[in-house]
Amino acid sequence: SQTIHQWPATLVQPVGSPLSLECTVEGTSNPNLYWYRQAAGRGLQLLFYSVGIGQISSEVPQNLSASRPQDRQFILSSKKLLLSDSGFYLCAWSSRGPGEQYFGPGTRLTVT
Amino acid sequence: AQSVTQPDIHITVSEGASLELRCNYSYGATPYLFWYVQSPGQGLQLLLKYFSGDTLVQGIKGFEAEFKRSQSSFNLRKPSVHWSDAAEYFCAVGARYGGATNKLIFGTGTLLAVQP
Repeated sequence: SQTIHQWPATLVQPVGSPLSLECTVEGTSNPNLYWYRQAAGRGLQLLFYSVGIGQISSEVPQNLSASRPQDRQFILSSKKLLLSDSGFYLCAWSSRGPGEQYFGPGTRLTVT
Repeated sequence: AQSVTQPDIHITVSEGASLELRCNYSYGATPYLFWYVQSPGQGLQLLLKYFSGDTLVQGIKGFEAEFKRSQSSFNLRKPSVHWSDAAEYFCAVGARYGGATNKLIFGTGTLLAVQP
């Protein structure tokens, strides 16, 4: 069966520090991968998605970036965090074509 | 533009009572439809999905949803709510012919509280 992992589970970082969140998927090949941010009371915001290694599409301009160095690895990064980057970050995967997405456990990021 | 509306931000029901969470969508064609549940501090779990066929779909944890094309709705129901159902619920739509990307559009969620 497929499993999706995210780490770290929680993170507290000062403003201006770098960020690296990692997501890995097991038990499937060539998945679509997604990064979402969930701010308090604001639903899910799609940040990035990827249909293959090195292929990243950005949904929202911001100081975050994403990379996919391996088929089942998706990384969310920032060079300098802002207070507004605080939130709950969710990684998800799906098969190619129409269908559901499966979510990881999330990372709670607090920028102080 | 494609959109999903969950009119109820917060609902409180008594344990054992029936539940209906509303979802309306705006889409150019018949979409794929989903309901997800999120417990505090956790990821989203898929409750059920509608692709085609019978418009009443059964999901996990005793939930069901009915697709009504004429009303552009996909409401979630449960006949008897348990305290463990307290969570946030998200409706989502996806394109049938969205190509490889398979992006979903999510509603803003309905927070369910269950009274003893």
